[in-house]
Amino acid sequence: SYELTQPLSVEVALGQTATINCKGNNIQTKKVHWYQQRPGQAPVLVIQRDSNRPSGIPERFSGSNLRNPATLTISRVQAGDEADYYCQVWDDRTAVFGGGTKLTVL
Amino acid sequence: QVQLVESGGGLVKPGGSLRLSCAASGFPFSDFYMSWLRQAPGKGLECVSYISSTGSATYYTDSVTGRFTISRDNAKTSLYLQMDNLRADDTAVYYCARRRDYGGNSVFDFWGQGTLVTVPS
Repeated sequence: SYELTQPLSVEVALGQTATINCKGNNIQTKKVHWYQQRPGQAPVLVIQRDSNRPSGIPERFSGSNLRNPATLTISRVQAGDEADYYCQVWDDRTAVFGGGTKLTVL
Repeated sequence: QVQLVESGGGLVKPGGSLRLSCAASGFPFSDFYMSWLRQAPGKGLECVSYISSTGSATYYTDSVTGRFTISRDNAKTSLYLQMDNLRADDTAVYYCARRRDYGGNSVFDFWGQGTLVTVPS
C-alpha cells in the first residue's frame, strides 16, 4: 500500500517561512492535498491538487509537487499557524494520509 | 455556507453498537460523495468509509469491513455510520467530510467538528 512520510515536527520563528515536506513513491504523479488541524479542532483544507488554495485561505500558504518531496510552504508565519499539518493523496480507492507534522512557532 | 454537524458519539462497551449521524446543509448534498474519517487519540487521520452520491457504491477500510455500515438519506441531507461489534481500537473522534473528486484525485474539502466514540479496553 502507498505510504506518505512527513517529519514529526518543524520549528519556525515568527514572521519567517516554514516548509513542510511530504515524501512518497513517485508522488509527482499524484495530486497532493494539505490540511491544517489546530489543537482541538477539525482539519481544514489549505491546499488542494498540489498548489491550489481554497477560498478563504491566505496567500501565505502555497504548495508544490514538482519533485519529491511535495512541499507546503507558509510565508510570514503567524502564531495562529501553529498546528498539525497533514498531506494526503488518493490511491487504490482510498485516501492516504501522511503521519502529520507539528508546526511550532517560536 | 457548508455545514456538517455530527452527533451520536459516546461511551460504549466492547461489542456494543453506535449509530453516528451527520446533518449536512449549504450545498447540494445529493451531488457529492460523503465520507467518515477518524482520528484516534494523539494519532493521525484515517478514512474509514465513503459512499457515492446515490448511495449505490460504498467503501470500507479493512479494519471495519463487516462491522460498520455507511448509508445516506438524500431527502434528509444526512449521512450515517452504523457501528457494530465495537472494539477498543475504534476509539477515536469521527469526522463527517464532503469528498470532492477531481478526475480520480479526491479531496475532503469540508469537515464537521467531529464526535467522540470511546470503547474502553
